[in-house]
Amino acid sequence: AQKVTQAQTEISVVEKEDVTLDCVYETRDTTYYLFWYKQPPSGELVFLIRRNSFDEQNEISGRYSWNFQKSTSSFNFTITASQVVDSAVYFCALSPPYDYKLSFGAGTTVTVRA
Amino acid sequence: GAVVSQHPSRVICKSGTSVKIECRSLDFQATTMFWYRQFPKKSLMLMATSNEGSKATYEQGVEKDKFLINHASLTLSTLTVTSAHPEDSSFYICSVPMTSGRADEQFFGPGTRLTVL
Repeated sequence: AQKVTQAQTEISVVEKEDVTLDCVYETRDTTYYLFWYKQPPSGELVFLIRRNSFDEQNEISGRYSWNFQKSTSSFNFTITASQVVDSAVYFCALSPPYDYKLSFGAGTTVTVRA
Repeated sequence: GAVVSQHPSRVICKSGTSVKIECRSLDFQATTMFWYRQFPKKSLMLMATSNEGSKATYEQGVEKDKFLINHASLTLSTLTVTSAHPEDSSFYICSVPMTSGRADEQFFGPGTRLTVL
């Protein structure tokens, strides 16, 4: 069974603050993929990142960074210097290898105030 | 441009009617498509896998007679909510994986918001 837990339901920050979203997962697979998606108010899911379980390197993409800790089964996401346009619901997701079925976390609603 | 389209984007219907939602892959052929459901302020739950040329496979707890899925062609899957009731009101999203076998190449449609009165 696969499970993704996003303990933070809502986070509210002031523009330019950093915000970190937590994601903890459970899986019996030794190989798996982890994802982060952004869902703005329009509803359309925006792909942010995929991480293979064999690749524990952290990644930075502009103001976004991800910290993958296999030892603690966590895949946290940080937005640096947040902007109002970052306001959205962010989902962490997990899939087995070569299977596109995604198990989503409950999502974290991020509100960035000007 | 969009890789996956859904139609309609929004639908309101009366209780008891059936509603058909289309998911189209615009840029590539897809033997498999997925249907997800999202309740307001909730997560996405996988409902079923739409398979071209064979029956859809449903996740546990999803009523197959309630949610009819037809993978009519390599670019089109339809989800029909039969005899819709207010509890079926939800945001329905389809996804289309590329057939290259890479798990990161999955494209989501823009979603269809269903409201049953």
